[in-house]
This record gives sequence, structure tokens and C-alpha cells, in this order.
Amino acid sequence: GAVVSQHPSRVICKSGTSVKIECRSLDFQATTMFWYRQFPKQSLMLMATSNEGSKATYEQGVEKDKFLINHASLTLSTLTVTSAHPEDSSFYICSAIHRGQGADEQYFGPGTRLTVT
Amino acid sequence: QKEVEQNSGPLSVPEGAIASLNCTYSDRGSQSFFWYRQYSGKSPELIMFIYSNGDKEDGRFTAQLNKASQYVSLLIRDSQPSDSATYLCAAVGSTLTFGKGTMLLVSP
Repeated sequence: GAVVSQHPSRVICKSGTSVKIECRSLDFQATTMFWYRQFPKQSLMLMATSNEGSKATYEQGVEKDKFLINHASLTLSTLTVTSAHPEDSSFYICSAIHRGQGADEQYFGPGTRLTVT
Repeated sequence: QKEVEQNSGPLSVPEGAIASLNCTYSDRGSQSFFWYRQYSGKSPELIMFIYSNGDKEDGRFTAQLNKASQYVSLLIRDSQPSDSATYLCAAVGSTLTFGKGTMLLVSP
């Protein structure tokens, strides 16, 4: 299957600082990537849809000025958590759409665990 | 509001048995359906997708789709303890919607 990577896998930062998370599609081009957040024992929550070359589409309740998304190329999308607070501590997962035969397939990155102290 | 419903479980089956995971969806416009497996603390991984009515088999896994009943299922034959995980169902129509997942426990 298609491979999506994320970096870093874990990050600890102090309250008030910003953290950038990278999501890369390694062996395919992805015009669309998604960013999710998952709190313990809960399902994935879609934060935003990232389209290459255009502004991201944010889900209701997600602050676009706090969670900056940049999809600058067909293989890279970045999520920057600005002025992080402890309540932003979560598991952040990206996914990319692979245009397969018959249906678009969504592949997930391994996730980034963010801890804000 | 478009919804995908799954029983949260846990669904407990003995090793070697067939595990049956079910999912219903509300959006009749949904075209494609995905099953993901997620181990605790890990990212989801794609198991199968299906978009035509009927069965689709891949190894020990069989996905079943009934669009008239708006029902998708995943069967896991010869269940193994390593299959113990949360299984997420997702439907793609105008949006991508995930269910909350069903926890499967396979006991040795």
C-alpha cells in the first residue's frame, strides 16, 4: 500500500510555544490530505482538509489561526500548533488520499503525540 | 447529520473463531466504505475498502456491503489474538465520516 510518514513521532513542548508537524506521502502524490486529532479512547476527529495550493478547510470548532495548515507541495502538508496549551496535548494524525483503481484510498501517517507542559 | 454507527464493544471471541463487525450509515449518497484497524496508541491502518454491493474477500478478511440496508460488515476468519484492536468503519459520500469504532478482543 501507499506510505505516509509523519515527523516528529513525539514532541514535548512548553505552553505558549509553537510546534510544527510534517506529513509526507512517500510514494505517491496527494492533492488532498487530512489532519485528525484523537484524544484517549475516542475516535478520530477531523480537524481540517488540506488541498495542495489552496487554503485548508477547517471543521467547525477548529481555530484556523491556532492550527495553521500549509500544503505547499503534492507530497507535503504541515500542521503548526501555535501558542500551544496543555489542552492541545493529543495524538495528531494525518492522512493522504491515494487515487487507486476503483476508489480513492485513504492512508494514515503513524501519528504525532504532542504533550504540552 | 451524516452518521456512521458502530457498536463500541468490546466484542470478545475465542481464537480461531469468526469475528463479525458491523456498521450502519445514514448517508444514502455514500459511495465507498473503509475498514481500518487501530491498535492502542497507534494510527489506523487500512484493512479493506468496498464500494459494490456484495462480498469482497482478502485473506482472512471479508467485507460485506448492502446499500439497500445501509449496512457494512467485516468478517475476520480464524481470529488471532493479534487481531485484538479497535476497528473503525468509514463512509465516503460528500464527506468522509468515521464511526467510533468497535473494540475486538480475541482470547487465546
